[in-house]
Amino acid sequence: DAGVTQSPTHLIKTRGQQVTLRCSPKSGHDTVSWYQQALGQGPQFIFQYYEEEERQRGNFPDRFSGHQFPNYSSELNVNALLLGDSALYLCASSLTQGGGYTFGSGTRLTVV
Amino acid sequence: RKEVEQDPGPFNVPEGATVAFNCTYSNSASQSFFWYRQDCRKEPKLLMSVYSSGNEDGRFTAQLNRASQYISLLIRDSKLSDSATYLCVKDEGGSQGNLIFGKGTKLSVKP
Repeated sequence: DAGVTQSPTHLIKTRGQQVTLRCSPKSGHDTVSWYQQALGQGPQFIFQYYEEEERQRGNFPDRFSGHQFPNYSSELNVNALLLGDSALYLCASSLTQGGGYTFGSGTRLTVV
Repeated sequence: RKEVEQDPGPFNVPEGATVAFNCTYSNSASQSFFWYRQDCRKEPKLLMSVYSSGNEDGRFTAQLNRASQYISLLIRDSKLSDSATYLCVKDEGGSQGNLIFGKGTKLSVKP
Protein backbone atom coordinates (compact mmCIF):
# COMPACT_ATOMS: atom_id res chain seq x y z
CA ASP A 1 0.00 0.00 0.00
CA ALA A 2 1.69 3.23 -1.18
CA GLY A 3 0.53 5.39 1.69
CA VAL A 4 2.34 8.46 3.02
CA THR A 5 5.89 7.74 4.10
CA GLN A 6 7.84 9.98 6.45
CA SER A 7 11.46 9.80 7.49
CA PRO A 8 13.07 9.63 9.90
CA THR A 9 10.60 8.31 12.48
CA HIS A 10 12.49 9.79 15.42
CA LEU A 11 15.15 12.46 15.69
CA ILE A 12 17.04 14.17 18.49
CA LYS A 13 18.69 17.52 17.81
CA THR A 14 20.42 20.19 19.86
CA ARG A 15 19.19 23.77 20.19
CA GLY A 16 20.43 25.93 17.34
CA GLN A 17 20.86 23.05 14.91
CA GLN A 18 19.01 22.59 11.65
CA VAL A 19 16.81 19.64 10.69
CA THR A 20 15.30 18.26 7.49
CA LEU A 21 12.26 16.00 7.52
CA ARG A 22 11.06 14.09 4.46
CA CYS A 23 7.71 13.00 3.13
CA SER A 24 6.66 10.83 0.20
CA PRO A 25 2.98 11.32 -0.62
CA LYS A 26 0.43 8.64 -1.32
CA SER A 27 0.63 7.36 -4.88
CA GLY A 28 -1.40 9.64 -7.14
CA HIS A 29 -1.50 12.58 -4.73
CA ASP A 30 -0.01 15.90 -5.84
CA THR A 31 -0.35 18.11 -2.76
CA VAL A 32 1.60 17.89 0.49
CA SER A 33 0.75 19.67 3.75
CA TRP A 34 2.86 19.76 6.90
CA TYR A 35 1.54 19.95 10.46
CA GLN A 36 3.18 20.34 13.86
CA GLN A 37 1.62 18.57 16.83
CA ALA A 38 2.96 19.50 20.26
CA LEU A 39 2.21 17.22 23.19
CA GLY A 40 -1.40 17.51 24.29
CA GLN A 41 -2.35 19.72 21.35
CA GLY A 42 -4.05 19.18 18.02
CA PRO A 43 -1.98 19.37 14.84
CA GLN A 44 -1.26 22.91 13.61
CA PHE A 45 -0.92 23.71 9.92
CA ILE A 46 2.57 24.80 8.88
CA PHE A 47 2.31 25.04 5.07
CA GLN A 48 1.11 23.34 1.93
CA TYR A 49 2.97 22.61 -1.31
CA TYR A 50 1.51 22.12 -4.75
CA GLU A 51 3.32 22.20 -8.11
CA GLU A 52 6.61 22.71 -6.25
CA GLU A 53 5.42 25.98 -4.71
CA GLU A 54 4.22 26.97 -1.26
CA ARG A 55 0.52 27.58 -1.73
CA GLN A 56 -0.56 28.37 1.83
CA ARG A 57 1.20 29.02 5.09
CA GLY A 58 0.11 28.92 8.70
CA ASN A 59 1.36 31.05 11.55
CA PHE A 60 4.92 29.77 11.69
CA PRO A 61 8.17 31.78 11.56
CA ASP A 62 10.51 31.86 8.59
CA ARG A 63 12.74 29.34 10.35
CA PHE A 64 10.29 26.82 8.94
CA SER A 65 10.75 26.31 5.22
CA GLY A 66 9.93 23.62 2.75
CA HIS A 67 10.32 22.26 -0.69
CA GLN A 68 8.41 20.03 -3.07
CA PHE A 69 10.15 18.02 -5.75
CA PRO A 70 8.91 17.10 -9.25
CA ASN A 71 7.92 13.63 -7.96
CA TYR A 72 5.65 15.39 -5.40
CA SER A 73 7.76 14.38 -2.40
CA SER A 74 8.48 17.13 0.08
CA GLU A 75 10.92 18.29 2.71
CA LEU A 76 10.39 20.39 5.81
CA ASN A 77 13.41 22.32 7.05
CA VAL A 78 13.67 23.97 10.44
CA ASN A 79 16.62 26.25 11.22
CA ALA A 80 17.93 27.48 14.57
CA LEU A 81 15.99 24.87 16.51
CA LEU A 82 14.35 25.86 19.78
CA LEU A 83 13.25 23.62 22.61
CA GLY A 84 9.68 24.54 21.71
CA ASP A 85 10.10 22.95 18.28
CA SER A 86 9.95 19.54 19.93
CA ALA A 87 6.84 17.92 18.49
CA LEU A 88 5.39 15.31 16.17
CA TYR A 89 5.64 16.56 12.59
CA LEU A 90 2.95 15.16 10.34
CA CYS A 91 2.80 15.15 6.59
CA ALA A 92 -0.54 14.84 4.82
CA SER A 93 -1.01 14.29 1.11
CA SER A 94 -4.05 14.96 -1.02
CA LEU A 95 -5.25 15.60 -4.55
CA THR A 96 -5.78 19.23 -5.38
CA GLN A 97 -9.16 18.31 -6.90
CA GLY A 98 -10.34 16.91 -3.58
CA GLY A 99 -10.87 13.51 -2.02
CA GLY A 100 -9.53 13.95 1.47
CA TYR A 101 -6.18 13.79 3.20
CA THR A 102 -3.90 10.88 4.05
CA PHE A 103 -1.53 11.36 6.98
CA GLY A 104 1.87 9.80 7.44
CA SER A 105 2.85 8.34 10.79
CA GLY A 106 4.98 11.38 11.54
CA THR A 107 8.48 12.28 12.64
CA ARG A 108 8.96 12.79 16.35
CA LEU A 109 11.51 15.56 16.85
CA THR A 110 13.09 16.17 20.24
CA VAL A 111 15.22 19.28 20.72
CA VAL A 112 17.55 19.19 23.73
CA ARG B 1 -10.73 32.52 20.79
CA LYS B 2 -9.49 29.36 19.09
CA GLU B 3 -11.16 28.46 15.81
CA VAL B 4 -12.07 24.96 17.00
CA GLU B 5 -12.67 24.27 20.68
CA GLN B 6 -13.19 20.94 22.41
CA ASP B 7 -13.41 19.71 25.98
CA PRO B 8 -10.04 17.94 26.45
CA GLY B 9 -11.48 15.37 28.86
CA PRO B 10 -10.48 12.78 29.74
CA PHE B 11 -13.77 10.97 29.49
CA ASN B 12 -13.57 7.73 31.47
CA VAL B 13 -16.51 5.46 30.68
CA PRO B 14 -17.35 1.77 31.19
CA GLU B 15 -17.73 -0.60 28.28
CA GLY B 16 -21.18 -0.38 26.77
CA ALA B 17 -21.72 3.25 27.76
CA THR B 18 -22.88 5.97 25.41
CA VAL B 19 -20.60 8.99 25.28
CA ALA B 20 -20.99 12.33 23.51
CA PHE B 21 -18.31 14.81 22.50
CA ASN B 22 -18.99 18.40 21.59
CA CYS B 23 -17.05 20.92 19.60
CA THR B 24 -17.63 24.57 18.76
CA TYR B 25 -16.08 26.47 15.90
CA SER B 26 -15.69 30.05 14.73
CA ASN B 27 -15.49 31.39 11.18
CA SER B 28 -18.58 29.88 9.65
CA ALA B 29 -17.13 30.13 6.11
CA SER B 30 -15.85 26.59 6.53
CA GLN B 31 -17.86 24.14 4.48
CA SER B 32 -16.51 20.80 5.63
CA PHE B 33 -16.13 19.30 9.07
CA PHE B 34 -14.74 16.00 10.27
CA TRP B 35 -14.00 13.87 13.28
CA TYR B 36 -10.57 12.27 13.32
CA ARG B 37 -9.37 9.60 15.71
CA GLN B 38 -5.80 9.56 17.00
CA ASP B 39 -4.30 6.69 18.95
CA CYS B 40 -1.41 7.34 21.31
CA ARG B 41 1.74 8.33 19.39
CA LYS B 42 0.10 7.62 16.03
CA GLU B 43 -1.14 9.79 13.17
CA PRO B 44 -4.72 11.10 13.02
CA LYS B 45 -7.10 8.99 10.96
CA LEU B 46 -10.41 10.10 9.51
CA LEU B 47 -13.32 8.72 11.52
CA MET B 48 -16.19 10.37 9.70
CA SER B 49 -17.41 13.47 7.93
CA VAL B 50 -19.99 15.70 9.56
CA TYR B 51 -23.10 16.94 7.76
CA SER B 52 -26.02 19.14 8.78
CA SER B 53 -28.31 16.23 8.02
CA GLY B 54 -26.37 14.02 10.40
CA ASN B 55 -24.09 11.14 9.56
CA GLU B 56 -24.28 7.68 11.10
CA ASP B 57 -21.72 4.93 10.74
CA GLY B 58 -22.47 1.93 12.92
CA ARG B 59 -22.14 2.97 16.56
CA PHE B 60 -20.98 6.47 15.62
CA THR B 61 -23.22 9.44 14.86
CA ALA B 62 -21.97 12.91 13.94
CA GLN B 63 -24.04 16.06 13.69
CA LEU B 64 -23.41 19.63 12.54
CA ASN B 65 -25.46 22.62 13.67
CA ARG B 66 -24.41 25.57 11.53
CA ALA B 67 -26.66 28.07 13.30
CA SER B 68 -25.01 27.33 16.65
CA GLN B 69 -21.56 26.55 15.12
CA TYR B 70 -21.59 23.28 16.99
CA ILE B 71 -20.47 19.77 16.09
CA SER B 72 -21.13 16.59 18.03
CA LEU B 73 -20.01 12.98 18.01
CA LEU B 74 -22.01 10.26 19.72
CA ILE B 75 -20.53 6.83 20.39
CA ARG B 76 -22.96 4.12 21.43
CA ASP B 77 -22.09 0.81 23.11
CA SER B 78 -18.46 1.86 23.75
CA LYS B 79 -15.76 -0.74 23.20
CA LEU B 80 -12.31 -0.92 24.79
CA SER B 81 -10.91 -0.31 21.30
CA ASP B 82 -12.67 3.08 21.15
CA SER B 83 -10.10 4.44 23.64
CA ALA B 84 -8.30 7.21 21.77
CA THR B 85 -8.25 10.97 21.30
CA TYR B 86 -11.01 12.36 19.10
CA LEU B 87 -10.16 15.47 17.11
CA CYS B 88 -12.76 17.88 15.80
CA VAL B 89 -11.61 19.32 12.48
CA LYS B 90 -12.77 21.96 10.03
CA ASP B 91 -11.52 22.18 6.48
CA GLU B 92 -10.64 25.69 5.39
CA GLY B 93 -11.30 25.09 1.75
CA GLY B 94 -11.16 21.56 0.42
CA SER B 95 -7.84 20.24 -0.76
CA GLN B 96 -6.63 23.74 -1.57
CA GLY B 97 -7.03 24.80 2.00
CA ASN B 98 -5.89 23.35 5.23
CA LEU B 99 -7.32 21.51 8.22
CA ILE B 100 -7.91 23.30 11.51
CA PHE B 101 -7.82 20.86 14.42
CA GLY B 102 -9.19 21.14 17.91
CA LYS B 103 -6.98 20.04 20.80
CA GLY B 104 -8.79 16.72 20.97
CA THR B 105 -10.92 14.94 23.54
CA LYS B 106 -9.40 11.92 25.21
CA LEU B 107 -11.65 8.91 25.71
CA SER B 108 -10.78 5.98 27.94
CA VAL B 109 -13.14 3.01 27.92
CA LYS B 110 -12.71 0.73 30.93
CA PRO B 111 -13.75 -2.91 31.32
